[in-house]
Amino acid sequence: GNSVTQMEGPVTLSEEAFLTINCTYTATGYPSLFWYVQYPGEGLQLLLKATKADDKGSNKGFEATYRKETTSFHLEKGSVQVSDSAVYFCALSSTGNQFYFGTGTSLTVIP
Amino acid sequence: DTGVSQDPRHKITKRGQNVTFRCDPISEHNRLYWYRQTLGQGPEFLTYFQNEAQLEKSRLLSDRFSAERPKGSFSTLEIQRTEQGDSAMYLCASSLGQGMLISGNTIYFGEGSWLTVV
Repeated sequence: GNSVTQMEGPVTLSEEAFLTINCTYTATGYPSLFWYVQYPGEGLQLLLKATKADDKGSNKGFEATYRKETTSFHLEKGSVQVSDSAVYFCALSSTGNQFYFGTGTSLTVIP
Repeated sequence: DTGVSQDPRHKITKRGQNVTFRCDPISEHNRLYWYRQTLGQGPEFLTYFQNEAQLEKSRLLSDRFSAERPKGSFSTLEIQRTEQGDSAMYLCASSLGQGMLISGNTIYFGEGSWLTVV
């Protein structure tokens, strides 16, 4: 079946620190992989995506590389800001008609 | 604003009452999804429409839940005889589907409808 396992939080970092949030998946077929971000009281917003192996998704300084050999899609950012504080969700879609989400990782960045 | 919109944003209801949520997707999107999210968890799939056809339903969608998309545009999610366990955020999302086997379609979420059953 399809599932996503995400690094548990919460994660607390100082401003300008390096961020990694781990995500691994199991899937049938050839999934696409996504990172969504959720700010307090809001819905989810797409952060980045990758649709095939070795693709790198990037946006707003965040990056993630689709690694088929390790079934991973880890999220990274070289220097976090206070405004990056949010909950981050890893997700996969194997046929486009259903998305599977991880449980989310809460990030707090302190000045 | 041309994003996904949901109404109401917040609803408090007494146990046993019925509630209905509405979702207006992005106008050109043919696919519409309902998800449920509880505190500290990721969204859980409830159901999915392609145009007006409801193509998938999760086992989470008990017989107290019904969703419609009568004209292939807006959708409603109704919960009958609400229970305290129904308290959650109900998220609607939409996408422009380009084929059933293409997995790269991005789904765009609304801001959610919070339900509290007291």
